[in-house]
Amino acid sequence: GQNIDQPTEMTATEGAIVQINCTYQTSGFNGLFWYQQHAGEAPTFLSYNVLDGLEEKGRFSSFLSRSKGYSYLLLKELQMKDSASYLCAVRDPFYDYKLSFGAGTTVTVRA
Amino acid sequence: SAVISQKPSRDICQRGTSLTIQCQVDSQVTMMFWYRQQPGQSLTLIATANQGSEATYESGFVIDKFPISRPNLTFSTLTVSNMSPEDSSIYLCSVVLAGGFGELFFGEGSRLTVL
Repeated sequence: GQNIDQPTEMTATEGAIVQINCTYQTSGFNGLFWYQQHAGEAPTFLSYNVLDGLEEKGRFSSFLSRSKGYSYLLLKELQMKDSASYLCAVRDPFYDYKLSFGAGTTVTVRA
Repeated sequence: SAVISQKPSRDICQRGTSLTIQCQVDSQVTMMFWYRQQPGQSLTLIATANQGSEATYESGFVIDKFPISRPNLTFSTLTVSNMSPEDSSIYLCSVVLAGGFGELFFGEGSRLTVL
């Protein structure tokens, strides 16, 4: 199975930067996804990494190191609307489209 | 992306009853899944909905409790049978669209409360 760990909660100030770490232990690897979920809403896709390195998409960036079983999501220039839960998910290497999710990190942005 | 319509969006149900949730997608779909998200928890995969055949269930989930149909590529139903308060949860339909790199898109969810 998949073991995916991420911090439970993080708090940051508007305009600041926050880095959400995710570590995974799996029998294989076929891609890592980050999702954002606002309270009471469905998760929305943020980023995808399958090769090592940094993927940048506007204020959000995601990094992957396969050898370390490690990823992070970097949120820059934080805005109040970024307050949400951020979910790390790993794709099953033996079943391409099935994702296993971490417990999620709740980010609270304060003025 | 796609429009993924789920209904009902929410319901309050009595113990022992069953409820069927529908999911309709407006785009070409490769895969469809049903997830559960219990209060304050992350997402747990219930099953993969297979077109025209029995769903593939994850450990801890069985067909008698969560029967699933998928009569065509873009429509699926999940029934929560003989409900108990422990079934109070958000149930989410999710899809992989044709032409993407396998990212999941989610419906808005169906929030069930069992009394």
